Amino acid sequence: AQSVTQPDIHITVSEGASLELRCNYSYGATPYLFWYVQSPGQGLQLLLKYFSGDTLVQGIKGFEAEFKRSQSSFNLRKPSVHWSDAAEYFCAVGGTKYQAGTALIFGKGTTLSVSS
Amino acid sequence: AAGVIQSPRHLIKEKRETATLKCYPIPRHDTVYWYQQGPGQDPQFLISFYEKMQSDKGSIPDRFSAQQFSDYHSELNMSSLELGDSALYFCASSSSGGARTDTQYFGPGTRLTVL
Repeated sequence: AQSVTQPDIHITVSEGASLELRCNYSYGATPYLFWYVQSPGQGLQLLLKYFSGDTLVQGIKGFEAEFKRSQSSFNLRKPSVHWSDAAEYFCAVGGTKYQAGTALIFGKGTTLSVSS
Repeated sequence: AAGVIQSPRHLIKEKRETATLKCYPIPRHDTVYWYQQGPGQDPQFLISFYEKMQSDKGSIPDRFSAQQFSDYHSELNMSSLELGDSALYFCASSSSGGARTDTQYFGPGTRLTVL
């Protein structure tokens, strides 16, 4: 069965420091991978996605993620964190077969706190 | 840019009552999804519709039903509400297009509280 693991429940980073959030997936083939961010009480905003091609994908707000097939990972990175980046981050995997409406499977999320 | 619209944003119900949540997808999106997010939890998939037909089904209770209408909006009907149904309910939409680029865009959610 498909699954997504985010090993870090909570991470604290100093403002201006670099950030890496880990995500590992279990899937039979190369899945479609996503990172979403959620501020408290808010909806889910898409940061970036990987479907195929270049394994380093750029997203909004200065985020990037690298797909590593050998490690079944899709880690999210940002070179310099801003206080406004404090939020909950979810990694998600979608299906590979062509079917509209395929569910996303989410990881448990990583809470990012930013210290001054 | 237009986003997914959900109504109402907040809803308070008593146990055993019914609730209807509405979702209006991004214009020209033909697929809608419903997710449930409990406190401190990750979103759990409930059900999805493509071109008004049920496409995928997750852990949706039998007390819940949903449908997609001809204008592509969707409604989630919840009956015999239980305390455990208190959660944030998200709707997402995507465009199937002609290729596998059905990225899901989420609405702001409806916060349902069952007393």
